Amino acid sequence: GQNIDQPTEMTATEGAIVQINCTYQTSGFNGLFWYQQHAGEAPTFLSYNVLDGLEEKGRFSSFLSRSKGYSYLLLKELQMKDSASYLCAVRDHSNQGGKLIFGQGTELSVKP
Amino acid sequence: DADVTQTPRNRITKTGKRIMLECSQTKGHDRMYWYRQDPGLGLRLIYYSFDVKDINKGEISDGYSVSRQAQAKFSLSLESAIPNQTALYFCATTSGTGELFFGEGSRLTVL
Repeated sequence: GQNIDQPTEMTATEGAIVQINCTYQTSGFNGLFWYQQHAGEAPTFLSYNVLDGLEEKGRFSSFLSRSKGYSYLLLKELQMKDSASYLCAVRDHSNQGGKLIFGQGTELSVKP
Repeated sequence: DADVTQTPRNRITKTGKRIMLECSQTKGHDRMYWYRQDPGLGLRLIYYSFDVKDINKGEISDGYSVSRQAQAKFSLSLESAIPNQTALYFCATTSGTGELFFGEGSRLTVL
């Protein structure tokens, strides 16, 4: 089975940097995803890591360590619009790698 | 128009009623998924399908059934709805890369 853990909520200040951690346990790791979800809306894709290291995309970066079962999402130069839930999701090898399992999400509040 | 369309967007029903949530997509993807979302529990996988002849159970399939009528259509049914099935339901598709494209969600309330 799979187990994914991330903090329930975080608060940060506009203009600052915040790091959202995700730890996971899976029988056959095949990629880790981060999604952003604003209240009342559908999740949208942010990043994908399958190899160790840092992937950077504008103000957002995502890091993966497969040996530690650990990832983080780094948000720089925070803006008020970054207030949202951030979902960590893991894909495994079972059944042609078709299952994407989500953590419970981290609710980020950005304050002025 | 949205690439992934869910109907209805909102539904209130009573315990014991049969409910169907429909999903259609124009992205041409083979893989389709149904998730439910509850506060504090994130997205949980109910069923997924790789093509018309393929149906797989997810984490929480009890009390639900699905039908893949065509490549573009994947329906979720609650044969006899109960209050703890009150949730926000999302349909999603992917080409296989893993990036999911979600519908706008169907909010279901079972009284």
